[in-house]
Amino acid sequence: DAGVIQSPRHEVTEMGQEVTLRCKPISGHDYLFWYRQTMMRGLELLIYFNNNVPIDDSGMPEDRFSAKMPNASFSTLKIQPSEPRDSAVYFCASSLEGRRGELFFGEGSRLTVL
Amino acid sequence: GIQVEQSPPDLILQEGANSTLRCNFSDSVNNLQWFHQNPWGQLINLFYIPSGTKQNGRLSATTVATERYSLLYISSSQTTDSGVYFCAVVHGSGNTGKLIFGQGTTLQVKP
Repeated sequence: DAGVIQSPRHEVTEMGQEVTLRCKPISGHDYLFWYRQTMMRGLELLIYFNNNVPIDDSGMPEDRFSAKMPNASFSTLKIQPSEPRDSAVYFCASSLEGRRGELFFGEGSRLTVL
Repeated sequence: GIQVEQSPPDLILQEGANSTLRCNFSDSVNNLQWFHQNPWGQLINLFYIPSGTKQNGRLSATTVATERYSLLYISSSQTTDSGVYFCAVVHGSGNTGKLIFGQGTTLQVKP
């Protein structure tokens, strides 16, 4: 079975540019999570969806960040405009049963903003 | 919010040695997972273990929910076990899978 698929795996961009990260969750999973990993802050939850609806976006750093889930098989995380401090690895994860479900992570998208 | 503390923060082992990693959490949890982040950055599920004991090859884990801790045992360590081990928990009522991660234990296994 295919796992969580993220793209791109690596992105290098210049400050001020728009960045779009993509995620395809495991088929049938009804929860989708976006996490960010940095050396300073570790792994932090940005936002999560249940049945395509955003449930908790309290971890989104600021208005420059937005996330959508137009259908059960696709989600995007957009940063506009990007800044050097956004450089991090962004992980997408999905689970089948939110409260007790087991999370499965994609391989991550490594973003570098110059 | 709930606090998740892992110890030790760093660990160096000789190949073949055994080790125990600990995860303490400050409140009741609905879910607990152990992950291994390999040197390539991939987060690999090791155990989903809100309570009890599980074993998978050289790895095993035990969670004592009433005492708010979990242990990950690595036996006969290999160089491929190197990386960061994370404990993550879900806390609170409602249908959320919001995992809160500890800061991790960085393991280096030397040949």
